[in-house]
Amino acid sequence: DAGVIQSPRHEVTEMGQEVTLRCKPISGHNSLFWYRQTMMRGLELLIYFNNNVPIDDSGMPEDRFSAKMPNASFSTLKIQPSEPRDSAVYFCASNRGPNSPLHFGNGTRLTVT
Amino acid sequence: AQSVTQLGSHVSVSEGALVLLRCNYSSSVPPYLFWYVQYPNQGLQLLLKYTTGATLVKGINGFEAEFKKSETSFHLTKPSAHMSDAAEYFCAVIPGSSNTGKLIFGQGTTLQVKP
Repeated sequence: DAGVIQSPRHEVTEMGQEVTLRCKPISGHNSLFWYRQTMMRGLELLIYFNNNVPIDDSGMPEDRFSAKMPNASFSTLKIQPSEPRDSAVYFCASNRGPNSPLHFGNGTRLTVT
Repeated sequence: AQSVTQLGSHVSVSEGALVLLRCNYSSSVPPYLFWYVQYPNQGLQLLLKYTTGATLVKGINGFEAEFKKSETSFHLTKPSAHMSDAAEYFCAVIPGSSNTGKLIFGQGTTLQVKP
């Protein structure tokens, strides 16, 4: 079990650029979650998928944010255009379904200058 | 709205002392409860969980937590702190009324262990 794999681990970009964060969930897990962590707001759920279908995207802050899950083994979170206030650690997590524990990746630390 | 409150954003204990991290939740229906730990530059790792059954739950690294419905609490304890326990700890709930598995996290408590 390789765990949830996120890439890149660190991303530094300039304001206005497009940023794409990637996630590979644990094989067999059918739910995938994207979280954002900041000192000010803590852990915020951005969006989650069940069986590759977005179920709740109410946490996505703006239209600049979009997420896709084209298949059971891959998801992306895209920010276009990026802004300095998007700087945070973005975590992807997956689980087998409702009420089972989440398994987190090691996160992507995004810095927008 | 469902919520999770962790009392104390920072807790400092001496090595060997009791660790007590507090968590209270609001839920009209008994929820599923979790504690996660986050070490620097890493993702969150599951420490323990309560779903049903025995209200005292044992987890990894010597931690345990007790679900007290009357107090709507799920405090995390460890009898003797180790230096390696220094990390951030998150309490989380899946509301009992939820059928989506959406996890609600507390704000986190940073545990400092002094030699």
